[in-house]
Amino acid sequence: SQQGEEDPQALSIQEGENATMNCSYKTSINNLQWYRQNSGRGLVHLILIRSNEREKHSGRLRVTLDTSKKSSSLLITASRAADTASYFCATFVRGAQKLVFGQGTRLTINP
Amino acid sequence: NAGVMQNPRHLVRRRGQEARLRCSPMKGHSHVYWYRQLPEEGLKFMVYLQKENIIDESGMPKERFSAEFPKEGPSILRIQQVVRGDSAAYFCASSPRDRGRPAFFGQGTRLTVV
Repeated sequence: SQQGEEDPQALSIQEGENATMNCSYKTSINNLQWYRQNSGRGLVHLILIRSNEREKHSGRLRVTLDTSKKSSSLLITASRAADTASYFCATFVRGAQKLVFGQGTRLTINP
Repeated sequence: NAGVMQNPRHLVRRRGQEARLRCSPMKGHSHVYWYRQLPEEGLKFMVYLQKENIIDESGMPKERFSAEFPKEGPSILRIQQVVRGDSAAYFCASSPRDRGRPAFFGQGTRLTVV
């Protein structure tokens, strides 16, 4: 089964609102990463948070990590139509040699 | 500095033919990952390679699928005797070293088996 599970599977909000996506995982990790995928395109790395970090910011993105609950959240503030995409969390599992992706959240920003 | 280059972008094969997907990592990157993505789904890990070595192939089917990353040239994902269930987008990613550095993805190869 997948290491990471995103919630919700789909999210539709109005432009200007904040979007929050959650990710849960199962095993110990070195870090957790968030990626964005526009329809039909490759993935673009957004932000990486290490297992000893609790919160990280990058522009309008805010990521939190709770290792005790094995969960992370991605917040996009002041959403724009261009933020419409699928968002995936990926974990680099401790001891493993690969990034494992969740199923993704499909975000739609309505103008 | 060119990004990860995958070709072809689209590939159509008849059942039973071979599909060969190529991936040139970013300059200076010696680690390559291959993932498969079905429509509306996440990415499924297939294989992780370093130059001339397969490090982890736990996600790759034992039959018909193989991958290589030679000392010179691109990484190749080969699917022999393709079946309709192989139709998917195949993504390659590269990173400068392991231990969880961000990966840079190519645009993918969309394989359609007819």
